[in-house]
Amino acid sequence: GAVVSQHPSWVICKSGTSVKIECRSLDFQATTMFWYRQFPKQSLMLMATSNEGSKATYEQGVEKDKFLINHASLTLSTLTVTSAHPEDSSFYICSAHPGEGSLRDGGELFFGEGSRLTVL
Amino acid sequence: AQKVTQAQTEISVVEKEDVTLDCVYETRDTTYYLFWYKQPPSGELVFLIRRNSFDEQNEISGRYSWNFQKSTSSFNFTITASQVVDSAVYFCALSENTDKLIFGTGTRLQVFP
Repeated sequence: GAVVSQHPSWVICKSGTSVKIECRSLDFQATTMFWYRQFPKQSLMLMATSNEGSKATYEQGVEKDKFLINHASLTLSTLTVTSAHPEDSSFYICSAHPGEGSLRDGGELFFGEGSRLTVL
Repeated sequence: AQKVTQAQTEISVVEKEDVTLDCVYETRDTTYYLFWYKQPPSGELVFLIRRNSFDEQNEISGRYSWNFQKSTSSFNFTITASQVVDSAVYFCALSENTDKLIFGTGTRLQVFP
């Protein structure tokens, strides 16, 4: 089946640094990718929709300048947490679906393995 | 507005017991999709099932079964003869006529030997 891969799977950084997380679709092209955030023992909250070749669409309450999303190719979306602080520590998960279909048309969503960010 | 409620925060059972995880959803759309995902301790989401709003047929897959009731806006998940490997957090999710998933708060299932 289709695979979505995230890198790194975990990262520890100092407060104030920026961290980039990559989400790759390994065997399909993804015009749309989604970024979710999950705090410990909580649910997944959608942060933004990443659109290939255009600006990301952010959910209400998500800081665009804090969480920079770039979807420069059909197989790669990146999430950069800028000037990270301890409250940004979380589990970040991306999902993607092939460009030929949305859920409405029977397309499937595939999730990455997640990236655990710890900011000291 | 769309919303998914999983009222059970944690469930503990002993191996071989049956267990049902509840999911109640809210949506104004007539076309929507419901999902169940399993999240083991490693963190990745494992897809279990997808149902569209026009298909109320219940489904069975091995020890897993799902009961979709539009009349009560519920999409419950039953594990028969639970095993220790079933221990995980289970999420119910809803998608309206978009590709975004709205997740419930999850139910942590612990199966003890």
